Amino acid sequence: QVQLVESGGGVVQPGTSLRLSCAASGFTFSNYGMHWVRQAPGKGLEWVAVISYDGSDKYYADSVKGRFTISRDNSKNMLYLQMNGLRVEDTAVFYCAKDSNHCSGGSCSSLDYWGQGVLVTVSS
Amino acid sequence: QSALTQPPSASGSPGQSVTISCTGTSSDVGGYNYVSWYQQHPGKAPRLMIYEVSKRPSGVPDRFSGSKSDNTASLTVSGLQAEDEADYYCSSYAGSNNFFYVFGTGTKVTV
Repeated sequence: QVQLVESGGGVVQPGTSLRLSCAASGFTFSNYGMHWVRQAPGKGLEWVAVISYDGSDKYYADSVKGRFTISRDNSKNMLYLQMNGLRVEDTAVFYCAKDSNHCSGGSCSSLDYWGQGVLVTVSS
Repeated sequence: QSALTQPPSASGSPGQSVTISCTGTSSDVGGYNYVSWYQQHPGKAPRLMIYEVSKRPSGVPDRFSGSKSDNTASLTVSGLQAEDEADYYCSSYAGSNNFFYVFGTGTKVTV
């Protein structure tokens, strides 16, 4: 069965960096686009970034563009989110999610499997 | 990059139906047939309930149905059951030259 397990969260100070990881199993990871979605405490879902099946296409929400970088290692079935210049408003549970499509050229469809999420707290 | 607009809450008695709207623009909901709906119980990860406007993934009860008209998508839950009480979010693809992907504001469904 499909499993997505995030790790790397924690409490950090504003302006610092953190890298989230997502270990994927139960499907052919290299065939699908992958997303990061976040949810601030008590708030709704916010799409963060997507990467195509082969890593050639990446798209970001305006709120993180220039600060966050999504990447993947298909040899290890791993998805990453490098977060730099963290702000208090980045505090959230971060989910990795599998797309049902390859997302090449932006051809994404829906987020059909989600991880359990990892909490990132940015506080001084 | 504004969120899609959903009503904050909706409710119904067991066995009744509830419909949730999701209003966007011609750049997202109205422009693509890539509208999805997600169910989220407290403390849990979201679950895909509807994709590509009206398709149900395997395992999702046929009580859940989706539709779209112009810039507004809708999710209908028929025959409400206690376990349907949850937050529901719509989402839409918005194009690679736009803000790409957007979620709705979320609707709390109370049974």
